[in-house]
Amino acid sequence: GQNIDQPTEMTATEGAIVQINCTYQTSGFNGLFWYQQHAGEAPTFLSYNVLDGLEEKGRFSSFLSRSKGYSYLLLKELQMKDSASYLCAVRSGGGSNDYKLSFGAGTTVTVRA
Amino acid sequence: NAGVTQTPKFQVLKTGQSMTLQCAQDMNHEYMSWYRQDPGMGLRLIHYSVGAGITDQGEVPNGYNVSRSTTEDFPLRLLSAAPSQTSVYFCASSPKGVYNEQFFGPGTRLTVL
Repeated sequence: GQNIDQPTEMTATEGAIVQINCTYQTSGFNGLFWYQQHAGEAPTFLSYNVLDGLEEKGRFSSFLSRSKGYSYLLLKELQMKDSASYLCAVRSGGGSNDYKLSFGAGTTVTVRA
Repeated sequence: NAGVTQTPKFQVLKTGQSMTLQCAQDMNHEYMSWYRQDPGMGLRLIHYSVGAGITDQGEVPNGYNVSRSTTEDFPLRLLSAAPSQTSVYFCASSPKGVYNEQFFGPGTRLTVL
């Protein structure tokens, strides 16, 4: 089976930085995704890592260490609109499994003024 | 493009009733999938399809059927609804290629009484 862990909740102040950690134990690995989901809405894609290292995209960055089974999503210069749930998902890879994603339970981030 | 569309947005069923959740995409994506999302459990894969005429089971397939007669449509059928199937259901699609993210529909909120 797949095991993907992330904290349940985090709170931060507007303008600050928050780091959301994700650890995974899966039967294979073919990439890690981060999605953002606002309350009552669909998840939307934020980032993708398949090689070790940091991927930066504006205020959001994502890091991956395959040897440690670890990733984090870094949100900088927090804005009120960043209040949402952040989902970590792993693609296990291999044949018809290439498209299947296993999701963590999500981390709810609350940004306070 | 409309992207991924789902109908209905909300549905209330009685135990034992059957119904079909509709999902369509106009992006010519090969891969489509159905997830359910429950509080504290994240997104769980129900069924998926890697192309027209091909479907397979995900993590929680019991009580659900799917078919994929066209590239565009991927309906999810509840055979005999149970209260345990109360959930939010998301359909997603992805183009071919393991590095491509999944695009999610707006979701169907289903309550089974």
